[in-house]
Amino acid sequence: DVKVTQSSRYLVKRTGEKVFLECVQDMDHENMFWYRQDPGLGLRLIYFSYDVKMKEKGDIPEGYSVSREKKERFSLILESASTNQTSMYLCASRPPGLPLRDFGPGTRLLVL
Amino acid sequence: AQTVTQSQPEMSVQEAETVTLSCTYDTSESNYYLFWYKQPPSRQMILVIRQEAYKQQNATENRFSVNFQKAAKSFSLKISDSQLGDTAMYFCAFTRTYKYIFGTGTRLKVLA
Repeated sequence: DVKVTQSSRYLVKRTGEKVFLECVQDMDHENMFWYRQDPGLGLRLIYFSYDVKMKEKGDIPEGYSVSREKKERFSLILESASTNQTSMYLCASRPPGLPLRDFGPGTRLLVL
Repeated sequence: AQTVTQSQPEMSVQEAETVTLSCTYDTSESNYYLFWYKQPPSRQMILVIRQEAYKQQNATENRFSVNFQKAAKSFSLKISDSQLGDTAMYFCAFTRTYKYIFGTGTRLKVLA
């Protein structure tokens, strides 16, 4: 089974801090995703990476950046955290052309 | 732009009963894929069932089945013989490419 892990289950940060959310998958998947999940809004795509060093903006990229230096690792960066970035962040991965089925356990981020 | 609508924020069902969760979507495309995902309190997202738009036959996975009405752009999920472990948030999703559009979710509670 593919395993997608995220560096933290819960994280508390201060406004203005630089925040790194790490995601690692162990099955050599080319595609990796970062979603944000908010009540009443469902999951919204922040960034997508289709291969190492390749990325595309999703629907809500503002305030976020990403890094994919190695195939197994996809990092989401909040350059200067703000309270409106308090949310649940989900990472996912898949081989190209196959359904999205492998999600991480999520990181619940609170920005104070 | 494609949209996915889940009009039932919360539902409940008695154990062993059948429940149907609704999902409608909007697209001008003819080829696409639809999915139902389950997110239990553990937050681990699980792919429940998928449907290819070009297939007329409704998908079935054990106690889970869909009613896919392409002309009406409707994709409902039926859970038969509900179990306590079915208690979760359920998301409907649409995709044509790498981008998945998720609905806002339906919180289902199975009552003992």
